[in-house]
Amino acid sequence: DVKVTQSSRYLVKRTGEKVFLECVQDMDHENMFWYRQDPGLGLRLIYFSYDVKMKEKGDIPEGYSVSREKKERFSLILESASTNQTSMYLCASSPPWTGGERVTYEQYFGPGTRLTVT
Amino acid sequence: AQKVTQAQTEISVVEKEDVTLDCVYETRDTTYYLFWYKQPPSGELVFLIRRNSFDEQNEISGRYSWNFQKSTSSFNFTITASQVVDSAVYFCALSEAGNAGNMLTFGGGTRLMVKP
Repeated sequence: DVKVTQSSRYLVKRTGEKVFLECVQDMDHENMFWYRQDPGLGLRLIYFSYDVKMKEKGDIPEGYSVSREKKERFSLILESASTNQTSMYLCASSPPWTGGERVTYEQYFGPGTRLTVT
Repeated sequence: AQKVTQAQTEISVVEKEDVTLDCVYETRDTTYYLFWYKQPPSGELVFLIRRNSFDEQNEISGRYSWNFQKSTSSFNFTITASQVVDSAVYFCALSEAGNAGNMLTFGGGTRLMVKP
């Protein structure tokens, strides 16, 4: 079974703090993703990475950065946390699209980190 | 641009009732994939099904069934004889095949409450 773990289930931080959210997957997946989930808005993609040291912006990257130094680990960084970043953060991984066939594989999700910024 | 709409934000049913969750999508691509995920109260999204745009056959898995209709750009999900354990938020998602990183676009989710 694919296992995606996130460093914390609940986190409370103060405005202005630097926040690190860690995600680790054990299935050797090339693709990793960070989403935030807010009521009524579904999941919105913040950043994704398709290889070590590679990253691409998603739909809402402002105020966030990411780091992928090892294949199994993908970190989300809030440089200076603000109250509007209070949310549920979900990490996911998936196998890559390979070869000539255009295929999208399902993503496997971690349990989420509920971050509150006060 | 791709878009997924789940018009039902909340649905409440009594146990053993059948319930259908609607999903309507928009895409300009001819090759795409559709997904359904379940998010129980524990928070972790659980993959339910993946469907590609060339396979319009309906699928049944136990009490779950999916109706894919390209003509109406819909991919609806039906739970037959609902149970309390079906209570969760359900997400529909879309991916244009082969996009960089296998990105998904999610709908807003439908919260299903099944009462005993």
